[in-house]
Amino acid sequence: AQSVAQPEDQVNVAEGNPLTVKCTYSVSGNPYLFWYVQYPNRGLQFLLKYITGDNLVKGSYGFEAEFNKSQTSFHLKKPSALVSDSALYFCAVRDSGAGSYQLTFGKGTKLSVIP
Amino acid sequence: DGGITQSPKYLFRKEGQNVTLSCEQNLNHDAMYWYRQDPGQGLRLIYYSQIVNDFQKGDIAEGYSVSREKKESFPLTVTSAQKNPTAFYLCASSINQGSTEAFFGQGTRLTVV
Repeated sequence: AQSVAQPEDQVNVAEGNPLTVKCTYSVSGNPYLFWYVQYPNRGLQFLLKYITGDNLVKGSYGFEAEFNKSQTSFHLKKPSALVSDSALYFCAVRDSGAGSYQLTFGKGTKLSVIP
Repeated sequence: DGGITQSPKYLFRKEGQNVTLSCEQNLNHDAMYWYRQDPGQGLRLIYYSQIVNDFQKGDIAEGYSVSREKKESFPLTVTSAQKNPTAFYLCASSINQGSTEAFFGQGTRLTVV
């Protein structure tokens, strides 16, 4: 079975400071990893994904994420936070070796950027 | 304008009634998904379909039903057997490749009154 853990329900960061939102995963095969962002009462928007290759993945709005196979982690990062980054962030995983395309999400981390 | 359309945006249901949530996509995606979102619980998979006329139960399928008669459409029925249906429901679609991201609709908020 595949699973995702986001250990922090909420992350607070000052505007202009770097931010990190943590994610760890569990799959039996190789992972496909995704980050999404959700604004209030809206659907999820795709930010970035790791499939294979370079462990540092760059995505939309200046976000990036680092894949670490030994720690089974895929933390989301941004060098300088904006107030407009305040939202709910979800990490998701698919098992590349599984027969289905089921996408499993973490419980989400609420990011608050303080002016 | 391509994308996924969910309707209605808000839906109120009386106890004991069945209701159907609509999800339509014009992205030519084979796979479609229904998720339920509750505060603090993230997204939980209700049903998914990888091809027309075929669908699979997700983690919380009890009290829900779906159909996939057309590639573009994947309606979800919340039946009276669902004991706690008040939630935010999200529909998504993707290409049938594991490495591709899913695209989401704007959601339907269902409230039991």
